[in-house]
Amino acid sequence: GAVVSQHPSWVICKSGTSVKIECRSLDFQATTMFWYRQFPKQSLMLMATSNEGSKATYEQGVEKDKFLINHASLTLSTLTVTSAHPEDSSFYICSARALSMGLPEQFFGPGTRLTVL
Amino acid sequence: GQNIDQPTEMTATEGAIVQINCTYQTSGFNGLFWYQQHAGEAPTFLSYNVLDGLEEKGRFSSFLSRSKGYSYLLLKELQMKDSASYLCAVMDSNYQLIWGAGTKLIIKP
Repeated sequence: GAVVSQHPSWVICKSGTSVKIECRSLDFQATTMFWYRQFPKQSLMLMATSNEGSKATYEQGVEKDKFLINHASLTLSTLTVTSAHPEDSSFYICSARALSMGLPEQFFGPGTRLTVL
Repeated sequence: GQNIDQPTEMTATEGAIVQINCTYQTSGFNGLFWYQQHAGEAPTFLSYNVLDGLEEKGRFSSFLSRSKGYSYLLLKELQMKDSASYLCAVMDSNYQLIWGAGTKLIIKP
């Protein structure tokens, strides 16, 4: 149980385009999902906390207009990188808490590797 | 401020034992997590400690001392596949995870 999927696994796009990444909890309902970014050889950086049915809470320094987060249902959250630039190239990972299953840990999706040309 | 400290890199020999330490200072405490992350992959959950003491799970054990703000992850009978980064994370009073920078573990034959 507690499986999180992410789509796509990798994406290459041109500078200036927008990219949408989906995060789904497959076998549990996730009222809270988290979006992380990880640059090579660096630790995870929390970008935002996504709550179902409400606006996401962004970490300091993360542009909410550039990284649009939507959490429309208890099993789906999306991250849209708008007007992507090469410096946005990174490994984007989502996670979800399965508190409804009595589990305190966050379960991670497999990640999406974004390369902006 | 909130702070998680763990060594940047450690090296160990296949078949040996290694202990990865983590110290923390956070606003509140709702548990400490250890995750394993192989290069290019997402983290996978290893252990969760919320009470003092040792939790054993196969070759991996995790220890917590809340009074000392200290935890360690113990890996026994090291295998080459254990080469990865090990992330320590503490859940604070707001149930947010505060992440350490990770310890890169290199296993040599």
